[in-house]
Amino acid sequence: AQSVAQPEDQVNVAEGNPLTVKCTYSVSGNPYLFWYVQYPNRGLQFLLKYITGDNLVKGSYGFEAEFNKSQTSFHLKKPSALVSDSALYFCAVSSAYSGAGSYQLTFGKGTKLSVIP
Amino acid sequence: ETGVTQTPRHLVMGMTNKKSLKCEQHLGHNAMYWYKQSAKKPLELMFVYNFKEQTENNSVPSRFSPECPNSSHLFLHLHTLQPEDSALYLCASSPRMGRQETQYFGPGTRLLVL
Repeated sequence: AQSVAQPEDQVNVAEGNPLTVKCTYSVSGNPYLFWYVQYPNRGLQFLLKYITGDNLVKGSYGFEAEFNKSQTSFHLKKPSALVSDSALYFCAVSSAYSGAGSYQLTFGKGTKLSVIP
Repeated sequence: ETGVTQTPRHLVMGMTNKKSLKCEQHLGHNAMYWYKQSAKKPLELMFVYNFKEQTENNSVPSRFSPECPNSSHLFLHLHTLQPEDSALYLCASSPRMGRQETQYFGPGTRLLVL
């Protein structure tokens, strides 16, 4: 079975400071990793994904994430946080394993990011 | 906007009512999904349709009944729901069903069961 852990329910960061939202995963086979963001009263918006290749993935709105296979992590980062980045962030994983249901996207519980002016 | 719309955005229903949620995607995708989002819990995948055929039912109670008349439309028919079914119901679509595919989500329907 595949799983995702987002160890922090909430992350607070001052505007202009770098931010990190943590994600670790567990899958059989090679992982496919995704980050989504959810603003209040909205659906999830895709930010970026890692499929293969360069471990540093760049996405929308200045976000990036680093895939670390040895630590089974895929942390989301941004060099300089904006107040408008305040939202709920979800990490998700699927895998190349061909077992039943393995194509499914498994989501973490989410991390609430608050950027303080 | 992601190209996935959902109606209604808010719904209040009693436990004996019958209602339907509608999802429409304008992206030309072939796979569509229903998810349930409850507070403090990960998103729960409910149903998956690929080229109008249901490929996954994640042990969802029969009081939830999906329908996919074509690749652009997805419905979730609700009847005799329970208060614990109150949640945000999200529809998503992807170009095809696959492990690498990005799913695009609608804004959701906020459901309250009284």
